[in-house]
Amino acid sequence: GQSLEQPSEVTAVEGAIVQINCTYQTSGFYGLSWYQQHDGGAPTFLSYNALDGLEETGRFSSFLSRSDSYGYLLLQELQMKDSASYFCAASLGGGSYIPTFGRGTSLIVHP
Amino acid sequence: ETGVTQTPRHLVMGMTNKKSLKCEQHLGHNAMYWYKQSAKKPLELMFVYSLEERVENNSVPSRFSPECPNSSHLFLHLHTLQPEDSALYLCASSQDRAGGSDTQYFGPGTRLTVL
Repeated sequence: GQSLEQPSEVTAVEGAIVQINCTYQTSGFYGLSWYQQHDGGAPTFLSYNALDGLEETGRFSSFLSRSDSYGYLLLQELQMKDSASYFCAASLGGGSYIPTFGRGTSLIVHP
Repeated sequence: ETGVTQTPRHLVMGMTNKKSLKCEQHLGHNAMYWYKQSAKKPLELMFVYSLEERVENNSVPSRFSPECPNSSHLFLHLHTLQPEDSALYLCASSQDRAGGSDTQYFGPGTRLTVL
């Protein structure tokens, strides 16, 4: 089967840096995606890693280590508006394009 | 705006009612999905359509019936629901590409309450 593990909640203060980890166990793996969801809103795509290493997009970066079955989302210069749930999702490849989502991490940013 | 719209945004229905949720995508994608999101639970994949054919049905009760008349439209027909079916129902679309990331583009969801 497939499963992804991520912390249920992370708290931080404005201006800080926070890292949200995701470990996965899948029978096949092609890449790891991250999504953000604000309360009452729809998940929106943030980033995707197919290769090992760091992908940077503004204040957000995402990292993947395929050998460790591990990835993380790094948020820098935190702002109050970053308070949201963050989901990692594994793309299985091998002809299957249906992503498997983690349970989500609730990020709470304090002033 | 992600290019995926859903109607209605909110729905309250009794257990004996029949209603339908509608999803439309304007992105030219060839795959569409229904997800259920309950409070404090992960996204649950319900149905997947690729090129208008259903390719996934995750043991969803028969009181949920999907329909995909074309690649841009997806419906979820509801009948004799239970209170535990109250949740946010999200539609998503993606471009099915072998070996691709298949980024999911989500609609705003329908908040369903079953009385």
